[in-house]
Amino acid sequence: GIQVEQSPPDLILQEGANSTLRCNFSDSVNNLQWFHQNPWGQLINLFYIPSGTKQNGRLSATTVATERYSLLYISSSQTTDSGVYFCAVGPGGGNKLTFGTGTQLKVEL
Amino acid sequence: DAGVTQSPTHLIKTRGQHVTLRCSPISGHKSVSWYQQVLGQGPQFIFQYYEKEERGRGNFPDRFSARQFPNYSSELNVNALLLGDSALYLCASSLGGQGQFFGPGTRLTVL
Repeated sequence: GIQVEQSPPDLILQEGANSTLRCNFSDSVNNLQWFHQNPWGQLINLFYIPSGTKQNGRLSATTVATERYSLLYISSSQTTDSGVYFCAVGPGGGNKLTFGTGTQLKVEL
Repeated sequence: DAGVTQSPTHLIKTRGQHVTLRCSPISGHKSVSWYQQVLGQGPQFIFQYYEKEERGRGNFPDRFSARQFPNYSSELNVNALLLGDSALYLCASSLGGQGQFFGPGTRLTVL
């Protein structure tokens, strides 16, 4: 099956810093999503981005489908950004998602 | 609009028992998927249902089963519970073309 690798596995930032999270996948996909999992386990949708670039406030994402990677940018980080960020890929919008191992982000004051 | 809802929130069972988890999708979403997330890992795909038909199954034993009802809600059933079934069980719904949206999960503890 498709393999999904995320880097870095852990990241500690000072509040206000910027960061880039990376997701590499082993095969072509029609669905790529970024999620933030909060301490209570809720997976919060950040982006549905099988290709191209999107921005939402302090967050933006870019997927280069031909090179099989996606990047999530977090600018001016806040303590509420702490948690685990997952990249997940799949063959289509409603089908099986394969998740990466996640990036554990901690933002400190 | 309400998001994906799941019940119960938490559940404690003993080995060998049976459990039923429930999920209501976002209104208008006809596809429901189930995932298992054990501590420290990403969610693993269990099942996908669309229009009451099973459309995909992950690498889980036959002790796991699911169904989807005419109103598109879904149940996940697990028989003969093992300690290793302790996990967060997540339900997601989708409309197609916009990705999947996840519920808050059911945290199952097997003692």
